[in-house]
Amino acid sequence: GDSVTQMEGPVTLSEEAFLTINCTYTATGYPSLFWYVQYPGEGLQLLLKATKADDKGSNKGFEATYRKETTSFHLEKGSVQVSDSAVYFCALFSGGYNKLIFGAGTRLAVHP
Amino acid sequence: NAGVTQTPKFRILKIGQSMTLQCTQDMNHNYMYWYRQDPGMGLKLIYYSVGAGITDKGEVPNGYNVSRSTTEDFPLRLELAAPSQTSVYFCASSLGTGRNTEAFFGQGTRLTVV
Repeated sequence: GDSVTQMEGPVTLSEEAFLTINCTYTATGYPSLFWYVQYPGEGLQLLLKATKADDKGSNKGFEATYRKETTSFHLEKGSVQVSDSAVYFCALFSGGYNKLIFGAGTRLAVHP
Repeated sequence: NAGVTQTPKFRILKIGQSMTLQCTQDMNHNYMYWYRQDPGMGLKLIYYSVGAGITDKGEVPNGYNVSRSTTEDFPLRLELAAPSQTSVYFCASSLGTGRNTEAFFGQGTRLTVV
């Protein structure tokens, strides 16, 4: 079945460091891909999305490109801030299964 | 701008008790989901619904039941609470149509079974 694999955390960075969180997927057809973020004590909220191959989603300085050839959707940010500390989830919407499928999540901790 | 509303926010249950976690959305979304999130883990799908009157099992449905009598509401029922059901439960909804599907999440219900 469809699935999402994320790099394990936690990821610990200093402020202004470059961030990459890897995400690969397995799916039939052409799923939509998402990154969600969960700040401490809150529910998940959409960070960015891409709906077709080579699309780049971006928001709040974060970017991710839908790479069909490598089945990847890696999250990047050029300069992280302490306020970016959160858990990041990669997800896909499986049209075949009519549901959202999430990766395990990657915890990011940014220190001053 | 209510979005997805879950109640209660916190609950402690004794083993064997039952309870219903409430979820309602005001966005007229067809798709609704229940997830659980265990400490340090990702989200696991419990049940989902593609519209009123239609529900289906996710990855971890055992010990839970759902109903979808209206578009707005999607309650999750625990019949005989067990310690293994200690978790944070999230309800979500989406339009579920086309390629721009975006899920909206509630704030979560933290459940402890003792």
